Amino acid sequence: GAVVSQHPSWVICKSGTSVKIECRSLDFQATTMFWYRQFPKQSLMLMATSNEGSKATYEQGVEKDKFLINHASLTLSTLTVTSAHPEDSSFYICSASGVNNQPQHFGDGTRLSIL
Amino acid sequence: QKEVEQDPGPLSVPEGAIVSLNCTYSNSAFQYFMWYRQYSRKGPELLMYTYSSGNKEDGRFTAQVDKSSKYISLFIRDSQPSDSATYLCAISGGYQKVTFGIGTKLQVIP
Repeated sequence: GAVVSQHPSWVICKSGTSVKIECRSLDFQATTMFWYRQFPKQSLMLMATSNEGSKATYEQGVEKDKFLINHASLTLSTLTVTSAHPEDSSFYICSASGVNNQPQHFGDGTRLSIL
Repeated sequence: QKEVEQDPGPLSVPEGAIVSLNCTYSNSAFQYFMWYRQYSRKGPELLMYTYSSGNKEDGRFTAQVDKSSKYISLFIRDSQPSDSATYLCAISGGYQKVTFGIGTKLQVIP
């Protein structure tokens, strides 16, 4: 089946640090990648959608200057949380979708803790 | 009214039981239906997907869609402790923009 790798799985860092999270589709070309945030006991909240080579489309209320997304190739997208603060602590999950309107496949998520 | 309604549970069943998980949705334009399984501290794993009414079976799992009632179900036969997880329904008009349910936490007791 389709495999999406997300790295790192867990990050702990000081307030003010910028953190980069990578999302890779290992065995298919991901024309579209998605970034979600998930709070405890809540469902997935879509942050942004990115298509390879294009600017990401952010959901309402998500600061694009805070959460920088790059989708430079058909197998890699990155999310950079800039100048992270404790309120940015959360579980971030990426997903990828290939051609022919296939469903999304998810990475294993990144647990971000800002001290 | 939420676009997708799902009972968060928790749902506890004995090993070997048949599990029924359900979601309702409000937008009749939705035409793609998915079920994901999410273990604690992991990303969701795609279990089943379909785009039509009726049943789809894969091993112990059966996905059922009733578009007329806007109701979808996931049945798990011969449930195992390893099935203990949170099950998310996901519905969309196309796979690009998906609306997820809150997830039902399932515990299968040995």
